[in-house]
Amino acid sequence: EVQLVQSGAEMRKPGESLKISCKGSGYSFTNFWIAWVRQVPGEDVECMGIIYPGDSDTRYSPSFQGQVTISADRSTSTAYLQWSSLKASDTAVYYCARPALYGTFYAAFDSWGQGTLVTVSS
Amino acid sequence: EIVMTQSPVTLSVSPGQRVTLSCRASQSVSSNLAWYQQKPGQAPRLLIYNAYTRATGIPARFSGSGSGTEFTLTINSLQSEDFAVYYCQQYSSWQTFGQGTKLEIK
Repeated sequence: EVQLVQSGAEMRKPGESLKISCKGSGYSFTNFWIAWVRQVPGEDVECMGIIYPGDSDTRYSPSFQGQVTISADRSTSTAYLQWSSLKASDTAVYYCARPALYGTFYAAFDSWGQGTLVTVSS
Repeated sequence: EIVMTQSPVTLSVSPGQRVTLSCRASQSVSSNLAWYQQKPGQAPRLLIYNAYTRATGIPARFSGSGSGTEFTLTINSLQSEDFAVYYCQQYSSWQTFGQGTKLEIK
């Protein structure tokens, strides 16, 4: 069974850094892209960026380029999303998600993590 | 960026009814279109991909149609567990989602 298990809820102050994780299991982690998706309550769902753990090829949505860093550790089958300086507007639920097809991100997301709530408040 | 627009924003219906949700793309996405269901506190769940193919385990009362820029999700004989928010997503060029349609009990 494919599973994506994310790290727990986080609370930070503006300007602080943060790294959240998504551990994949039940499939070949290096052969499927992993996306990070942001959902602000009551607002749109956005794909922030996506990484291919096999070679760490990473693509970012223009809206998030330079705002976050996506990485992956093949040895632990874990993908990461990190911020160097959080803003209040980063408050959201963040999901990792896996495209259904091997080796491409032009596919629907058939597996999702449970979500990580990030709250940024002074 | 391809913009996805869903309508209506909210739909009030009674259990047992049939409903049709719409999704329009700002440019052609061919059949690279998925539908998701999301309940409060849960991650989205894939219902339909490639515009009309049901995902594993999805009941036959859910069906998708369309291609190019106009798509629909139809739910026949609504069950109580179907009341949720539904999103469309295109994966033809990057990945963009619609703003969602909330299906609520009338």
